[in-house]
Amino acid sequence: GENVEQHPSTLSVQEGDSAVIKCTYSDSASNYFPWYKQELGKGPQLIIDIRSNVGEKKDQRIAVTLNKTAKHFSLHITETQPEDSAVYFCAASMGYGGSQGNLIFGKGTKLSVKP
Amino acid sequence: KAGVTQTPRYLIKTRGQQVTLSCSPISGHRSVSWYQQTPGQGLQFLFEYFSETQRNKGNFPGRFSGRQFSNSRSEMNVSTLELGDSALYLCASSGIIQETQYFGPGTRLLVL
Repeated sequence: GENVEQHPSTLSVQEGDSAVIKCTYSDSASNYFPWYKQELGKGPQLIIDIRSNVGEKKDQRIAVTLNKTAKHFSLHITETQPEDSAVYFCAASMGYGGSQGNLIFGKGTKLSVKP
Repeated sequence: KAGVTQTPRYLIKTRGQQVTLSCSPISGHRSVSWYQQTPGQGLQFLFEYFSETQRNKGNFPGRFSGRQFSNSRSEMNVSTLELGDSALYLCASSGIIQETQYFGPGTRLLVL
């Protein structure tokens, strides 16, 4: 089955710096890759997602890139702020728009942004 | 629109008991998925329901079961609780099957 690996497990940056989190997936049939942010005591919140027919997507300070050949995708956060501190999860799914869409998650990255 | 709601938010049970958790999806959403989150195993898929039918199931024992009602609300049940069932149980809803999933706040279950 699908396996998603996420690195690094922890990341500490200074406010204003950029943060990059990387994920690799094993099954080339995966076609949907969302990123979630989880704050303490809350459920995961979708921050950005990308489908396999797109190489890059950007939303203000957040961007995601996808390399289907290498089977990896990355989250980029620019101009980090203390409120960006949280645990970030990448996920992969084989079924966007189809019949098998359960999300396979990476283990998470704890991002700390120091003021 | 109101988000996904889950009740109860916290629950303490003892080994051998059973528990039922409830999830109300975003209005208009018909697909509900359940996930278990633990520090050791991370986020793992339990099952997915669409129009009252289970469409997908993860690798969990038969003690874990669920159902969906005609109004799309869903419940999951865990019977004969074990210590290892202590976890945050998350529900996610999507508009049609296999679209973007939006998560609720979760139910934190502690088994003593």
